[in-house]
Amino acid sequence: EVQLVQSGAEVKKPGESLKISCKGSGYSFTSYWIGWVRQMPGKGLEWMGIIYPGDSDTRYSPSFQGQVTISADKSISTAYLQWSSLKASDTAMYYCARSGDGYNLSAFDIWGQGTMVTVSS
Amino acid sequence: EIVLTQSPGTLSLSPGERATLSCRASQSVSSSYLAWYQQKPGQAPRLLIYGASSRATGIPDRFSGSGSGTDFTLTISRLEPEDFAVYYCQQYGSSPFGFGGGTKVEIK
Repeated sequence: EVQLVQSGAEVKKPGESLKISCKGSGYSFTSYWIGWVRQMPGKGLEWMGIIYPGDSDTRYSPSFQGQVTISADKSISTAYLQWSSLKASDTAMYYCARSGDGYNLSAFDIWGQGTMVTVSS
Repeated sequence: EIVLTQSPGTLSLSPGERATLSCRASQSVSSSYLAWYQQKPGQAPRLLIYGASSRATGIPDRFSGSGSGTDFTLTISRLEPEDFAVYYCQQYGSSPFGFGGGTKVEIK
């Protein structure tokens, strides 16, 4: 079964760092893009960026460039989203998703279950 | 950057009725790289339509997508109880691959 399994919910304080993960299984992890999507409480979906684990080619939305870092470790089929200094406004559900057409970017056909990040003092 | 505008914001319909959702792009979406997703409360989004009109695996044929250029439509021919949800469009022809603001289909 093709699936993406994300790390568990996090509660952090402003200024702390955080790295959440997304592990792929059931398919060739290095052959599909993995994207990250933010959903703030009660709001819509926001595309943050995407990485191709095969060669670490990474694209960011201008809204998130410099605010987060997307990476991947192909040896353990895992993609990451990290912050160096969290803000209260980073409180949201974060989804990883697979772009489903090999190296050609496509729609997100497989989604992780989401990781809830809460930032509060 | 391509901006997607979805309308209406909320659609109030009864089971069995037809739903028509619109997604308009600020610039032409190349090669009809437009997708539709469904999201229910507490769940991750699910891909319904890709390439503007191709149904994803396992999606019932009451869901159909159409359009090209800047105007796209998702049609649900006869609403089933499980179809009441929020629907998002997304373009993936030009980075950043943003989403529209969503249309909520609610029970009238």
